[in-house]
Amino acid sequence: GESVGLHLPTLSVQEGDNSIINCAYSNSASDYFIWYKQESGKGPQFIIDIRSNMDKRQGQRVTVLLNKTVKHLSLQIAATQPGDSAVYFCAEAFSNDYKLSFGAGTTVTVRA
Amino acid sequence: GAGVSQSPRYKVAKRGQDVALRCDPISGHVSLFWYQQALGQGPEFLTYFQNEAQLDKSGLPSDRFFAERPEGSVSTLKIQRTQQEDSAVYLCASSLPIGDGDTQYFGPGTRLTVL
Repeated sequence: GESVGLHLPTLSVQEGDNSIINCAYSNSASDYFIWYKQESGKGPQFIIDIRSNMDKRQGQRVTVLLNKTVKHLSLQIAATQPGDSAVYFCAEAFSNDYKLSFGAGTTVTVRA
Repeated sequence: GAGVSQSPRYKVAKRGQDVALRCDPISGHVSLFWYQQALGQGPEFLTYFQNEAQLDKSGLPSDRFFAERPEGSVSTLKIQRTQQEDSAVYLCASSLPIGDGDTQYFGPGTRLTVL
């Protein structure tokens, strides 16, 4: 079958290239999605979020895409920099709920 | 402004000891959360406070885990009779009231190692 945005636990990317990190979420009822970046020894850092009434949202150098049909979320990082090296987590929740459910992280390594 | 702070950053305990982990949320954030992050995994929800009220403690793994936020600001997560399986990073997060702003901002975590 077709693989759409297969989740990979690690991603190596050349500095300056674009990165795409994929996440498959589990609950079709979730309507709020967040991407966090976690550097070694630090807590998760908010990057960008999106609600289920949108399919795309852009921030500074980052874009989040949401495909509710296949329960898939992706984070695109433009012009990847060494400081982007980290573990990236997607999280899902119900709006007006409080529990974040985190996916398996993706470790991004930026090659100079 | 200041973010979420946690102390201590590192804690080593002998099995059977009690530990207390502290969280100072962002000023004005009424919602406070505790998560547990095992090595190589994503954070998992433990408990949630709105002001001083603990509204959900469904994620606490056993009755050895206890959390409090008596004045609606600083919170303490206490683990009694620590076991090796309690070794993890304990993360605290805070946010505006649910519905006003959902973004949870995390602290740096406390790494607990139980020997």
